[in-house]
Amino acid sequence: EAQVTQNPRYLITVTGKKLTVTCSQNMNHEYMSWYRQDPGLGLRQIYYSMNVEVTDKGDVPEGYKVSRKEKRNFPLILESPSPNQTSLYFCASSLRQFRNQPQHFGDGTRLSIL
Amino acid sequence: EDKVVQSPLSLVVHEGDTVTLNCSYEVTNFRSLLWYKQEKKAPTFLFMLTSSGIEKKSGRLSSILDKKELFSILNITATQTGDSAVYLCAGMNYGGSQGNLIFGKGTKLSVKP
Repeated sequence: EAQVTQNPRYLITVTGKKLTVTCSQNMNHEYMSWYRQDPGLGLRQIYYSMNVEVTDKGDVPEGYKVSRKEKRNFPLILESPSPNQTSLYFCASSLRQFRNQPQHFGDGTRLSIL
Repeated sequence: EDKVVQSPLSLVVHEGDTVTLNCSYEVTNFRSLLWYKQEKKAPTFLFMLTSSGIEKKSGRLSSILDKKELFSILNITATQTGDSAVYLCAGMNYGGSQGNLIFGKGTKLSVKP
């Protein structure tokens, strides 16, 4: 089944403790992206990647890192999480943006930073 | 600054009603307008609109884009309780390293039995 898989689905942690949210897609998609969704603010892009070893900042990259060492994986890293990073996070992928393909989303990761 | 504005922010209707959701956009190097449905978890893709005036249809849902007025609508006829969700509109830009989605805040639709 074609899908975007995020782990964990839920996480409660404390300020300053490094964490990684994994994202994996099995569709051989080139384009991958991370969003955060907050009430009243909608979905905002954090980072995106057009292909392996190519990443770029979205609208709200501060406090986050990403890597794209393999095509299928695009982990989101919070080196020193803070409470303002409490949010619902989505990973998405698409075949290739210049073929005008829609993005497919994972089920989301709800992060709570205390 | 690119922006996508959806209206209304929330809507309550009864089963069988027809609803129209609105989306206006200001997106640099605009390529396409996308609609997603979000229930409890991941947004699921509904439509991608690239050309003006061509209606896309899927069952009771349809959507159309007006690139002159920078506007799109999503229609749902004969609504059912299963249509209750947040409907997201997003503008896609292209050119250079772009091709990203700019999302509106969504319209929360509640369909009462």
